[in-house]
Amino acid sequence: QVQLVESGGGVVQPGRSLRLSCAASGFSFSEYGMHWVRQAPGKGLEWMAVIWYDGTNKQYAASMKGRFTLSRDNSKNMLYLQMNSLTAEDTAVYYCARSHRAWSSQDAFDVWGQGTMVTVSS
Amino acid sequence: QSALTQFASVSGSPGQSITISCTGTSSDVGSYDVVSWYQKHPGKAPKLLVYEVSKRPSGISNRFTGSKSGNTASLTISGLQAEDEADYYCCSYAGSGTLIFGGGTKVTVL
Repeated sequence: QVQLVESGGGVVQPGRSLRLSCAASGFSFSEYGMHWVRQAPGKGLEWMAVIWYDGTNKQYAASMKGRFTLSRDNSKNMLYLQMNSLTAEDTAVYYCARSHRAWSSQDAFDVWGQGTMVTVSS
Repeated sequence: QSALTQFASVSGSPGQSITISCTGTSSDVGSYDVVSWYQKHPGKAPKLLVYEVSKRPSGISNRFTGSKSGNTASLTISGLQAEDEADYYCCSYAGSGTLIFGGGTKVTVL
């Protein structure tokens, strides 16, 4: 079945880096734009970034620019989020999500992973 | 860019209808028919309820109806059920390849 599985979360010290992964299965990964969305404890959902189906274009929320980098490996059906200079404000559950329409990157999110928790703490 | 504005909470009795609003600006909700709605239960992944303002994915009950007028999008839940108690989020395309969520609305079934 169509599935996204995130990994790589955990406890990290402020200022350190972390790379999250998202493994896709059950669909043609290379045909879909992919997103990262996060939810801090007690807060709402926050869209972070999108990478086009072929990886040629990436867009980031203004608050994410500079410290976060999105990438994908279509040969492995994998999506990645590199996070640098982490602060306590980055503590959240991080979800990867698929664009609803193939070849699109600017629409709804129809498939979500279960999320991976990142805790930034000394 | 600030989150789209949603009321923090809405409540209703079983069987009633409730409407959740999502107010943006002419740069997001008002300019694009790319508004979606999500249901989120605690500890679970969000679930797509409505996309492109008013379309429902396969398997989503017709009790969930989306609409838009100007800079405000709305989600109406009819025939409210206990399992509808959850947080609901709107999301809109905001131009330049970016998307933005609303702050979320907690729905309580009395």
